[in-house]
Amino acid sequence: NAGVTQTPKFQVLKTGQSMTLQCAQDMNHNSMYWYRQDPGMGLRLIYYSASEGTTDKGEVPNGYNVSRLNKREFSLRLESAAPSQTSVYFCASHWTGTYGYTFGSGTRLTVV
Amino acid sequence: DQQVKQNSPSLSVQEGRISILNCDYTNSMFDYFLWYKKYPAEGPTFLISISSIKDKNEDGRFTVFLNKSAKHLSLHIVPSQPGDSAVYFCAASAGRDDKIIFGKGTRLHILP
Repeated sequence: NAGVTQTPKFQVLKTGQSMTLQCAQDMNHNSMYWYRQDPGMGLRLIYYSASEGTTDKGEVPNGYNVSRLNKREFSLRLESAAPSQTSVYFCASHWTGTYGYTFGSGTRLTVV
Repeated sequence: DQQVKQNSPSLSVQEGRISILNCDYTNSMFDYFLWYKKYPAEGPTFLISISSIKDKNEDGRFTVFLNKSAKHLSLHIVPSQPGDSAVYFCAASAGRDDKIIFGKGTRLHILP
């Protein structure tokens, strides 16, 4: 049982490049989330998907897009990467009706 | 405006002593509170939680206290061990299906 799997683990991008961060969960969870963690800023919600087919903005959505491909997969896309998007990105999932999220191990992204 | 506040960015405690991590919140609708622990290069993992109908929850060396009137909760670790050195995030939710709001985290250092 892998839980929440994120790929890649590390990535370096040049300003203006695009990329997609992948996330998959095998726990049959309904809801999925993308967070970013920056020093001194804690975990900030970028986008979330309460169920398959729905997505909503979180606290810091600008510069990102998401796709809930199916119940298992929730991807985060940077269309034109900027240095301000240098961060560690965490995907999480949650079973509706319960408390608490399960997190992936993160993607460390550097934009130069 | 921060709804969940952890005012101490870091805390150092001698091994074997008690570690007390504090958290304040502003949203009176929060009804469930969680603590997550995070090691470097890993995702946050759930540690302990408490419902708003309780004022204390204990799990081994970890105890969370909730003071609703003061909108304050604390995590006690007794006795502190070297493996407890990590970043601790306080988090809160206004319902099972509501988003979890995280604080900025407190880095705990356990000194030998």
